[in-house]
Amino acid sequence: SYELTQPLSVSVALGQTARITCGGNNIGSKNVHWYQQKPGQAPVLVIYRDSNRPSGIPERFSGSNSGNTATLTISRAQAGDEADYYCQVWDSSTAVVFGGGTKLTVL
Amino acid sequence: EVQLVESGGGLVQPGRSLRLSCAASGFTFDDYAMHWVRQAPGKGLEWVSGISWNSGSIGYADSVKGRFTISRDNAKNSLYLQMNSLRAEDTALYYCSAAAGPDDAFDIWGQGTMVTVSS
Repeated sequence: SYELTQPLSVSVALGQTARITCGGNNIGSKNVHWYQQKPGQAPVLVIYRDSNRPSGIPERFSGSNSGNTATLTISRAQAGDEADYYCQVWDSSTAVVFGGGTKLTVL
Repeated sequence: EVQLVESGGGLVQPGRSLRLSCAASGFTFDDYAMHWVRQAPGKGLEWVSGISWNSGSIGYADSVKGRFTISRDNAKNSLYLQMNSLRAEDTALYYCSAAAGPDDAFDIWGQGTMVTVSS
């Protein structure tokens, strides 16, 4: 079955750039989607198909995907960006797969 | 307003059954594939099951295959999850979510309904 690997936690200083990775075998050949989940709230889509932002998502959020790693980049990090972030792909053998999630802390 | 509202959760004993419902509004329900995603307390997201717009394609996670059944009623803008032979490890917040296609992102989420399996 297909697996996605994320770091458990990432810390970033206020106003700096955070990068959250999502590793998977040849993930560059798949469409990667990213979700933000704040405590007590439902997930929110922040990036779809590797690098596209839904309406209402700040330009500070961007994504890339190549080889075995997809990356969510949050520029000029704000306190309000503190959340859990999940990557997700569709795989022909496993159907929908989520990464284990990364807790982002803004210092 | 685009909305998904789940219902039907609660406390249930191991081995018993429960049926979850999800009511959609504010968008064209039958344009979307629908999914159930769950989150155990303090844990990450786990996909449970998905169904295509016309019910022609259905999938399940291995952890629920043979026990859970997903269905939808496009005339009622509703999604369902019949959960049988429930186990303690099925305890989670169950989210209903919509995706435009089989490889598309989940761009609409409900607030979830909690299922607790305990004696």
